Parts: sequence; structure tokens; C-alpha cells
Amino acid sequence: EVLLVESGGGLVQPGGSLRLSCVASGFTFSRSWMSWVRQAPGKGLEWVANIKQDASEKYYVDSVKGRFIISRDNIRNSLYLHMNGLRAEDTAVYYCARELFSFDYWGQGTPVTVSS
Amino acid sequence: QLVLTQSPSASASLGASVNLTCTLSSGHSSYAIAWHQQQPEKGPRYLMKLNSDGSHNKGDGIPDRFSGSSSGAERYLTISSLQSEDEADYYCQTWGTGIRVFGGGTKLTVL
Repeated sequence: EVLLVESGGGLVQPGGSLRLSCVASGFTFSRSWMSWVRQAPGKGLEWVANIKQDASEKYYVDSVKGRFIISRDNIRNSLYLHMNGLRAEDTAVYYCARELFSFDYWGQGTPVTVSS
Repeated sequence: QLVLTQSPSASASLGASVNLTCTLSSGHSSYAIAWHQQQPEKGPRYLMKLNSDGSHNKGDGIPDRFSGSSSGAERYLTISSLQSEDEADYYCQTWGTGIRVFGGGTKLTVL
């Protein structure tokens, strides 16, 4: 069974930092592209970033470029999202997802609230 | 610019069928998409990948009641024999080099 379990969300002040983690099991993590997708309260899904199997390629949505960094540890089967310079508009539930262009497995999400 | 357009809402009666539509932006009519379901207060669930020729590959455990089809720039999700648990938000999603795009989602109400 494929499982993706996110953690690390919480309340953070504007301008602060947070690191999200996602632990994967049930598939060969090192062979999969991985993504972070977020959903602001009452809004739709928004792709945030993705990373190739060997981390040689990383892509970001424009709104987070220069502030967020996606990374992975294929030994620990883990995906990370380092979020810096957080803004109120980054408030959302953050999901990790396995992808082969389409997102075929999703985690349950971890909520991030940016507020003073 | 790669954009997906969905109607904000749809409704159909219990036991009936419904078609949800996702429209690809001009110049992108050959793109494949994926459909995802999000039930209330839950995370998204992958339903299927849908190609421009209408062929589709469903996710694990997705019932036969869910099917997909294509016509030009339109991508359809058909749900037959509607059940109460089908009441959810449905998102289409596609991809380009270095980008992944979601449609705005359709909220399906089962009457």
C-alpha cells in the first residue's frame, strides 16, 4: 500500500520559516518524481513545486520562487519543503504527491497558517 | 498559456449520470489530463489519466462507474449510477515542461 505522510505544519508569523516533511512507503521512492501541492482555505488546488528522482531538476510556481526550496532524501524515502519568507497568502493545507505528470498518490496534508 | 477551465458547479440526482467538463486552453488540445476527486474534509484522490484520444487509466480501486472521454480540447469525466459519496469537488490537472496546472474545480452536488 502506498502511503505518503506529511508533517511539520503549524502556525508561523509572517516572514518566518517552516520545513515540511513527507515520508513515503509502499513504492520505490527513488524512482519517482515528487510534488508539493497546496490548498488555501475554501480554494482550489495549486501545484507548488516538484523534484526529479535524483534531484537534478526542480521546478516551482512563480509565487514561491526564491522563497521555497524542495529537496529529497532517497535513503530516508523523504520529501521536504523548506519555506522561507512566509506570507499570509501561503496559508494552506500542503499535500505531498507522487507524480508521473499526473499525481497518482496523495498524502493527507499538513496545515500551515501564517499569521501574527 | 496552459490553462484548464471547469464549471464551478454541477448537480445530478442519485442514481443518475453526470458529465463534468474540463477545457484545455487554445493550442493545447492534444494534452492529456488527470481527474482528481476531493470529498469534503478529505485530501484529493486520483481518479484517472485521460488522453486526447479518450483512452484512460484509472487509479487503484476506482469503480467502473467513473469513466473518461475526450473531444478536441474538451476532457470529460462521466460518473454513472451516482451515489451520495460522489458528492465532492472534482479537479482536472495537466502538465507542461516545468509546470503542473489545475483547473478551478467543479463542485458536484448529488440531489
